[in-house]
Amino acid sequence: TQLLEQSPQFLSIQEGENLTVYCNSSSVFSSLQWYRQEPGEGPVLLVTVVTGGEVKKLKRLTFQFGDARKDSSLHITAAQPGDTGLYLCAGAPGAQKLVFGQGTRLTINP
Amino acid sequence: NAGVTQTPKFQVLKTGQSMTLQCAQDMNHEYMSWYRQDPGMGLRLIHYSVGAGITDQGEVPNGYNVSRSTTEDFPLRLLSAAPSQTSVYFCASSLGALNGNTIYFGEGSWLTVV
Repeated sequence: TQLLEQSPQFLSIQEGENLTVYCNSSSVFSSLQWYRQEPGEGPVLLVTVVTGGEVKKLKRLTFQFGDARKDSSLHITAAQPGDTGLYLCAGAPGAQKLVFGQGTRLTINP
Repeated sequence: NAGVTQTPKFQVLKTGQSMTLQCAQDMNHEYMSWYRQDPGMGLRLIHYSVGAGITDQGEVPNGYNVSRSTTEDFPLRLLSAAPSQTSVYFCASSLGALNGNTIYFGEGSWLTVV
């Protein structure tokens, strides 16, 4: 079973601070996705990274796929209370399955 | 603008009872899947289907059955509910292969087995 380890599992910071969430594996993935999940709702896709070393930006969020396609990071600049939520990484070892990390619960305090 | 629709939203079962979680999508997606989400464990794949008439097992298939008689529907059956199946269940769909398509999740079904 291919595993994705996210760290930290919980993060509580003040508004305006920067943060980075990590998603690591010993396995290679053909692509890696980041999701955000609000309470009572399903995960919503934020980004998909496919190429090793790829960097994608979504407003204040920067996503990076490791060169070896085994890890990824999510960096948030100047966090806002609206960024609060559960962030999930998910890797596709092939075309038909997704493996999820356990999630990072992020709280941004005003 | 329905997307992926799951029913019921909440269900309480007694141990040994059976039930079906319904999932329907109106996007003509070939790929559908069921996940369960437990605290601290992320989402784990139960079963998936790459098209009508085709299903396969995921990471945690025991105790669950699925069928895919139409493109739109992918029900998940609990044959004899156990307390260990208390969880939040999510149905998801995508147009095709996961590494090139967006996956859309339903809003979840909260199941408690007592």
